[in-house]
Amino acid sequence: DSGVTQTPKHLITATGQRVTLRCSPRSGDLSVYWYQQSLDQGLQFLIQYYNGEERAKGNILERFSAQQFPDLHSELNLSSLELGDSALYFCASSPEGRGADTQYFGPGTRLTVL
Amino acid sequence: GEDVEQSLFLSVREGDSSVINCTYTDSSSTYLYWYKQEPGAGLQLLTYIFSNMDMKQDQRLTVLLNKKDKHLSLRIADTQTGDSAIYFCAESPRGSTLGRLYFGRGTQLTVWP
Repeated sequence: DSGVTQTPKHLITATGQRVTLRCSPRSGDLSVYWYQQSLDQGLQFLIQYYNGEERAKGNILERFSAQQFPDLHSELNLSSLELGDSALYFCASSPEGRGADTQYFGPGTRLTVL
Repeated sequence: GEDVEQSLFLSVREGDSSVINCTYTDSSSTYLYWYKQEPGAGLQLLTYIFSNMDMKQDQRLTVLLNKKDKHLSLRIADTQTGDSAIYFCAESPRGSTLGRLYFGRGTQLTVWP
């Protein structure tokens, strides 16, 4: 158990819908990262937050957004969903969000778009 | 730091050693990581090595780093069936995107009795 929790574990929805994925980081970690794992793209970095502020952005679509709240939990919002958004979405956390930090991953949310 | 390459499959017999290889491109990488993903599960951190080290040993795991060739390997001694999983190599480069990881596509390790 990494100490990072994600809910829900599974999510099935239809095209065009909007969903919210939630992540709670390890106790004491200030930085949260979101990654998408799909068969064709592998593991791709989406976005990073540190202490409530966006720190880095990766291959995140404009239809996707995220935020980190004062209690440090984070939410990833996916809207106007397409079939290709079906993937495993991981959240990771680290103490300070620097390159020297070790990232610990949550169990993931499996999103299926029908 | 965007091209991390791994071979996709490796099969070994139980009790043998497994060696999973990885090449990376960013010469300024600070840390290099190995993660393990079992079926239906998340990513479990196995070990990491700092870029000023050549080798790190942790019980059955040995990580070797060749900075000149930008080559990283993970050796698992006495491989067990429970080691069957996908192993990901990841690098953490310096630069403006501090903290993000670049992953390889993963090596599927199959251990047969």
